Amino acid sequence: KAGVTQTPRYLIKTRGQQVTLSCSPISGHRSVSWYQQTPGQGLQFLFEYFSETQRNKGNFPGRFSGRQFSNSRSEMNVSTLELGDSALYLCASSLAGQGETGYTFGSGTRLTVV
Amino acid sequence: EDQVTQSPEALRLQEGESSSLNCSYTVSGLRGLFWYRQDPGKGPEFLFTLYSAGEEKEKERLKATLTKKESFLHITAPKPEDSATYLCAVRRIRGSQGNLIFGKGTKLSVKP
Repeated sequence: KAGVTQTPRYLIKTRGQQVTLSCSPISGHRSVSWYQQTPGQGLQFLFEYFSETQRNKGNFPGRFSGRQFSNSRSEMNVSTLELGDSALYLCASSLAGQGETGYTFGSGTRLTVV
Repeated sequence: EDQVTQSPEALRLQEGESSSLNCSYTVSGLRGLFWYRQDPGKGPEFLFTLYSAGEEKEKERLKATLTKKESFLHITAPKPEDSATYLCAVRRIRGSQGNLIFGKGTKLSVKP
């Protein structure tokens, strides 16, 4: 059974540019969440999608956005990149309502902004 | 404000030396508490979900327990392969499914 796939694994961007990250959930999982992980703040919730609808959003500026497609694949976009956006971006998927087995995370996309 | 605090930040153990990791939480209605393990360069790997005070779950050398204010992850006779960062997260009653609040983790090193 394939896990959660995130692409690309590594990315280097320049300040002011924009970036799009991709997440393919486990087959059958309809819920996708995104988190930002930094050494100082740990994991922080960005947003959650279910059946192409955003269900919840964390406290991040509007430069951070996302979407989910009909096949449950999700993308997140960060516009006008800042140095502080350098982080590991993690995607997690789950079956709706299935908290018992937790949320399965991908290996993340390491974004470096220079 | 809802928050999760893990202690200690780092823990060094000798192989076979048992210990416990702590996760204290303050949330307005707990819907579930999760433990994850994270290895360098990888995403968190699910370990346990606990739902109510008094609940316990075990997996190999790990045992997680839950009270009304905190959770413990007990590691019995650890091995070097148990070295990782252990993360605790809570899901609130009023939060949607994917909205977990994470602690900053405990980095465990087990020396042979």
